Parts: sequence; C-alpha cells; structure tokens
Amino acid sequence: DAKTTQPNSMESNEEEPVHLPCNHSTISGTDYIHWYRQLPSQGPEYVIHGLTSNVNNRMASLAIAEDRKSSTLILHRATLRDAAVYYCILRDVSGRGTSYDKVIFGPGTSLSVIP
Amino acid sequence: NAGVTQTPKFQVLKTGQSMTLQCAQDMNHEYMSWYRQDPGMGLRLIHYSVGAGITDQGEVPNGYNVSRSTTEDFPLRLLSAAPSQTSVYFCASSGKLAGARGANVLTFGAGSRLTVL
Repeated sequence: DAKTTQPNSMESNEEEPVHLPCNHSTISGTDYIHWYRQLPSQGPEYVIHGLTSNVNNRMASLAIAEDRKSSTLILHRATLRDAAVYYCILRDVSGRGTSYDKVIFGPGTSLSVIP
Repeated sequence: NAGVTQTPKFQVLKTGQSMTLQCAQDMNHEYMSWYRQDPGMGLRLIHYSVGAGITDQGEVPNGYNVSRSTTEDFPLRLLSAAPSQTSVYFCASSGKLAGARGANVLTFGAGSRLTVL
C-alpha cells in the first residue's frame, strides 16, 4: 500500500493562507487522497478528498500535482480555529484487502496559528 | 442523525479488569474501525470491520477483541486491561458522501478516554 509523508509541524499567521504539503510518491491509480484534521481534544473530521483534479469545498482547497505524487491542502485564510493536526491519507478504492479497508494514519502535520 | 456514538466518554480501570467500549452508528455504514491515540501521537488502527460478521486486525490488535453482529454496532473489548492500554480510543465508520463518486469518507466518534491503573 502506498504511504504518505508530511512535515511534523508548521506555523502560520492568522488570516494568511496556509499550504500543507503531502508526498505520496508510490500512489496508485485507484488511490483517493483524503485529508482529515483533528482539533484539540476532538475526534478527527473529514476535510476534503480528490482523485486527480483540484477540489474546493467550504473548508479548504486540495491541489493535486499532475503526476499525483504530491498534494497540497490549502486553507485560504487561517484562523485560530484552524489550529489542529492535519492528516493526509490514501484510500485505494479498487477493492478489499487494501488501504480501502485498513485505513492507516501517519503522525500528520501539527498546524499552529499565530494571532 | 447522531453519527457515531461512543460510550463511555471516560473510564478508569484497574489492571486486570475487563470492559467493553461501545460504538454505534446510525448511518448504515458497512465499514467500522477502532483507533487508539496516545498522548502526542497519531492514530493507530486496532481492528476494523467491512460488514456484519467480518472483522480483521489492524496495526495494534493485541489485547483487544471485537465482534460485529449488527451493521450498527462495533464494540471493543479489553479482556484484561493493562496500563499500556491507557489511551484515547476513537471509533470510526465509513460511507459515501452524497454525490461523491467512488470514495468513502470516515466519520469519527468523540472518543473514549481510558485510564488503566
């Protein structure tokens, strides 16, 4: 199964954009890229996902490299409430017995937002 | 909808005691899983289930048992608790977002904080 690599921590100033990178150089054609975040003392929550094209939703944008070996989660204007651990994972939808079922989270990126 | 409900929220056990962490979802999700999270660490997969009657081991299954007799429930059992099992436990279920094609997203419960003395 393909794995992801993220920086351990990042800092951002409030109201500035934040670009959180994720490397997944061994991604397969059926791996979806998912991002989750975990606010302090809460369970993780879904942020965004994509396959090949860039994606936007109310929370964030996901930019996927043309070769799909990396992706970037973009928070357009960081707020103090965005301080969290951000996880990038892959979910292979080709069938059973893959990361479709055995969903593994790495340590993620701890984002600090400076007022 | 309540989503994923975990009980209890807090529990203190003595070494050797047994207990069950409950997880229930009302979204008709096929997939359910249990994670543990130690202080300052990421999530580690304990067990998962792709449907009623089917369970499998994750990264750290030792010391934990699971069963899936219904689609809605996925309890996690500690038969003989050890201090090393002190952690926060998260249950998750997975189903498709409305309108999403081919991708399932995980919905997590609020967590159960377990302390083993």
